[in-house]
Amino acid sequence: DGGITQSPKYLFRKEGQNVTLSCEQNLNHDAMYWYRQDPGQGLRLIYYSQIVNDFQKGDIAEGYSVSREKKESFPLTVTSAQKNPTAFYLCASRSLGPASGANNEQFFGPGTRLTVL
Amino acid sequence: QQQVKQSPQSLIVQKGGISIINCAYENTAFDYFPWYQQFPGKGPALLIAIRPDVSEKKEGRFTISFNKSAKQFSLHIMDSQPGDSATYFCAASKGSGYSTLTFGKGTMLLVSP
Repeated sequence: DGGITQSPKYLFRKEGQNVTLSCEQNLNHDAMYWYRQDPGQGLRLIYYSQIVNDFQKGDIAEGYSVSREKKESFPLTVTSAQKNPTAFYLCASRSLGPASGANNEQFFGPGTRLTVL
Repeated sequence: QQQVKQSPQSLIVQKGGISIINCAYENTAFDYFPWYQQFPGKGPALLIAIRPDVSEKKEGRFTISFNKSAKQFSLHIMDSQPGDSATYFCAASKGSGYSTLTFGKGTMLLVSP
């Protein structure tokens, strides 16, 4: 059963704590992405990685960190420097290569809802 | 700078009616335009996508219309059903899969029974 898994589904954090959100994919996709979703704001890109051991900042990277030690895994750490971390976090993956049909489809995981107490 | 503008923010349509969501983009290098559907508490899923070499693409009740000169594209949902009630996102990207998707802010669609 191929796809993207995110855990946990719900996460609660106290102010000042770092938390790590897990994202795993078994689609053999090269690229992985983290988005943050807030009501009325759409999907905003936090970080992305197109190859193991390399990643790029997205539009709202401040207060977040990532690693890509394995092709299948792209964990996101929400640090205490992120002042407003309460949001729905979505992980996605995509095959890379020439733009053609299904090769460009980006698949999303089920999301993690993070709430700061 | 918002590169993909989506409207309306919310939409209520009666069952059996046509739902229309519009998007406009600025970057003429964009050449891949997908629409995603998201149900509450779930991740978005690809609904339908189009490239600028065609002006329209239809899959079942869902149609994308594309106007390259106006830099606009729209999603039409024919015979809208209550099960279509969801948030819809348009997106755009350029070139190969190495480029990232830029998303609109989303449209919440409610189809009333």
